[in-house]
Amino acid sequence: EPEVTQTPSHQVTQMGQEVILRCVPISNHLYFYWYRQILGQKVEFLVSFYNNEISEKSEIFDDQFSVERPDGSNFTLKIRSTKLEDSAMYFCASSDLQGASGEQYFGPGTRLTVT
Amino acid sequence: GDSVTQMEGPVTLSEEAFLTINCTYTATGYPSLFWYVQYPGEGLQLLLKATKADDKGSNKGFEATYRKETTSFHLEKGSVQVSDSAVYFCALKNNNAGNMLTFGGGTRLMVKP
Repeated sequence: EPEVTQTPSHQVTQMGQEVILRCVPISNHLYFYWYRQILGQKVEFLVSFYNNEISEKSEIFDDQFSVERPDGSNFTLKIRSTKLEDSAMYFCASSDLQGASGEQYFGPGTRLTVT
Repeated sequence: GDSVTQMEGPVTLSEEAFLTINCTYTATGYPSLFWYVQYPGEGLQLLLKATKADDKGSNKGFEATYRKETTSFHLEKGSVQVSDSAVYFCALKNNNAGNMLTFGGGTRLMVKP
């Protein structure tokens, strides 16, 4: 069964460093998403991406965040200058359809720890 | 804005017990509602969904009915198994506001043999 994969599973970085979290969505999917979950808090939407551009973003997704689909298979989230409060589990998701039938398939997550 | 509230866990049950995890929502318009499950070390998997009022979603013995009058989407299972131990997330998608999912806080279920 096709699945979304994410690398690395755990990333430790120092405050102020740049990190890139990588995702390989399901191959025939067209919509891509990033969510995050700070420990003990809700899963929060960050951004959605379609047709090589951002289609929606939350207020969390400020200028320090960016997303890219550098080739036909990867989808990346870059955090330019990490802060302690960026420590969270980051989930990538993809879907093939908009609307209610567009089930989002999630990856296992990358745990980001900023020290 | 939209929000989802679900009962806090952990919920601890014995095998074959009846399960209810409460979920209520606040949203404008007519959202679609989802339950996702996260097993240890894995991503969120869609368990079931309902797209309009009075729809019942079901999968793997789990059920939830979209109740517009009470703005609820409670998850139920008649007889839980140890393998159902996981974290369960209620979520909505507001069909007037794009594709983003709004999640509840998650409820950890522990089933003991």
